[in-house]
Amino acid sequence: KQEVTQIPAALSVPEGENLVLNCSFTDSAIYNLQWFRQDPGKGLTSLLLIQSSQREQTSGRLNASLDKSSGRSTLYIAASQPGDSATYLCAARTDNTDKLIFGTGTRLQVFP
Amino acid sequence: GAGVSQSPSNKVTEKGKDVELRCDPISGHTALYWYRQSLGQGLEFLIYFQGNSAPDKSGLPSDRFSAERTGGSVSTLTIQRTQQEDSAVYLCASSPLVYPPGNTIYFGEGSWLTVV
Repeated sequence: KQEVTQIPAALSVPEGENLVLNCSFTDSAIYNLQWFRQDPGKGLTSLLLIQSSQREQTSGRLNASLDKSSGRSTLYIAASQPGDSATYLCAARTDNTDKLIFGTGTRLQVFP
Repeated sequence: GAGVSQSPSNKVTEKGKDVELRCDPISGHTALYWYRQSLGQGLEFLIYFQGNSAPDKSGLPSDRFSAERTGGSVSTLTIQRTQQEDSAVYLCASSPLVYPPGNTIYFGEGSWLTVV
């Protein structure tokens, strides 16, 4: 059974810092891994998706990496801004369906 | 509408009552999912519908929970004899049938359920 965990659970940083969010999964036979953002009281917005054959994906100030052998993914946020404050969730697919197994999330606060 | 629509957005119910939560997926999306998010927790998978296939009910926590999807579109999640531990946000998502699966999954804003 796939289990996904995220550390840290919460993070508070000053504006401008580069930061790394961590995601671990127990079953390395994943199909792909996806990072989402959730704002308070809102649904989820997809940020990046990494296929199992890929090592990383980039979108603007965001970079996600995937290491299947170690069961880890990281989300790197460059030059953080207060608007980045949200909860970040990673989710793994272990087959070619859209059934996602989510981590518990990292709650990020970026203060001016 | 353009996105996944859920109703009610907020529901307060008494312990022991039944509740129904509704999800209107994006038109044309064949896959529909229900997830539950308790306070400060990640998303817990509940049930997954894909086209005319038998739904994947492996995440339903007890037989008090059931879901159906009529006509391949609207879905209703029903919780019978609600308990306080059922209090959570219930999130619905939909996606088209694409291969490989990926960034085409869209979430609604959720139905906030409070059982008192």
